[in-house]
Amino acid sequence: GDSVTQMEGPVTLSEEAFLTINCTYTATGYPSLFWYVQYPGEGLQLLLKATKADDKGSNKGFEATYRKETTSFHLEKGSVQVSDSAVYFCAALYNTDKLIFGTGTRLQVFP
Amino acid sequence: GAGVSQSPSNKVTEKGKDVELRCDPISGHTALYWYRQSLGQGLEFLIYFQGNSAPDKSGLPSDRFSAERTGGSVSTLTIQRTQQEDSAVYLCASSPPGGRGTGELFFGEGSRLTVL
Repeated sequence: GDSVTQMEGPVTLSEEAFLTINCTYTATGYPSLFWYVQYPGEGLQLLLKATKADDKGSNKGFEATYRKETTSFHLEKGSVQVSDSAVYFCAALYNTDKLIFGTGTRLQVFP
Repeated sequence: GAGVSQSPSNKVTEKGKDVELRCDPISGHTALYWYRQSLGQGLEFLIYFQGNSAPDKSGLPSDRFSAERTGGSVSTLTIQRTQQEDSAVYLCASSPPGGRGTGELFFGEGSRLTVL
């Protein structure tokens, strides 16, 4: 079945380090792809999205590019901040109304 | 309120008891979703309501789980005869008209259920 796989955490970085969180999806059709973020004590919120191949979603300094050839949607940020510490979820929307999520990756950024 | 509201935020119950979890979506949002988040697991889809259409119940793990949505607004997720494996955070999300199929969901903070 359709699924989303993302790297296990926690990912631990120093402030201003470069971040990559890997995400791959099953290549059934052409899903829309998303990154959601869950800050401590808050509900999940949409971070960015891409709806077709080669699209780049971006928000708050984070970027992710829809790569059809590698079925990937890796999340990147050039310089992380302590306030970026959160759990990040990759998700895919196939030809249904169900958003399929990965297992989440916890990011911890230390000053 | 401005966001999706869920209650209770925490619930501890004994095995075999029934529990009800409530979700109040954002006003005007026509779609409502329930997900379950277990430790070390992703978000598991449970059920989806869209307007007056029949709900998509394909994610409910057993017949002990049921959900209803009254008046196209508030939703209640009921778990009967709870088991320890039901312990999880239950998340509700809503999306606006036109939000269906876009994947842009607005989540509540969840109801943490602990079954002893």
